[in-house]
Amino acid sequence: QKEVEQNSGPLSVPEGAIASLNCTYSDRGSQSFFWYRQYSGKSPELIMSIYSNGDKEDGRFTAQLNKASQYVSLLIRDSQPSDSATYLCAVNRAQTGANNLFFGTGTRLTVIP
Amino acid sequence: DGGITQSPKYLFRKEGQNVTLSCEQNLNHDAMYWYRQDPGQGLRLIYYSQIVNDFQKGDIAEGYSVSREKKESFPLTVTSAQKNPTAFYLCASRDYNSPLHFGNGTRLTVT
Repeated sequence: QKEVEQNSGPLSVPEGAIASLNCTYSDRGSQSFFWYRQYSGKSPELIMSIYSNGDKEDGRFTAQLNKASQYVSLLIRDSQPSDSATYLCAVNRAQTGANNLFFGTGTRLTVIP
Repeated sequence: DGGITQSPKYLFRKEGQNVTLSCEQNLNHDAMYWYRQDPGQGLRLIYYSQIVNDFQKGDIAEGYSVSREKKESFPLTVTSAQKNPTAFYLCASRDYNSPLHFGNGTRLTVT
């Protein structure tokens, strides 16, 4: 079982719609959760961090965390063509040491004008 | 402005040559990382370092080497033993249990 799993997509949504990206993780003790956006040919950039159950909103982005079900999701409201990118989910396990951050393989999102 | 600087942005080498990718950070982070990304693929960890003069192998360390002589610097050498070195290489750093900050990457092409 992979540490972090994401649907690779591609996920296509029309402009103005809500895009929903999902991520599941295997370690129940995981503590910190991050969403990165990566445009083609560029490096990942952090767009959301979430640490406790529930929703966290930042502009058009909402991160949702459910530790009991071991999933974290990212909602993008009013999707724009500029949101077209690959979205990476990263999970920080509870273990000590620097090698405790695990990435999913990413979901490619295309927003159709 | 704090950040991570990777150089060069593009690198071309002949097969059989070693090549060193530079990574410098001024974020005062203890931990630094090197990832490799192939087209359409996720990130794969090559090496990481928690403190100066200490580093650990990641999932795909074969054919690579690193050093960590200064807190700010974590260069990666791609050796001739790496069978398929053409890829996008990303350096990152972070404080303990905080999000990773990435550099802009180096695209290496070996022919």
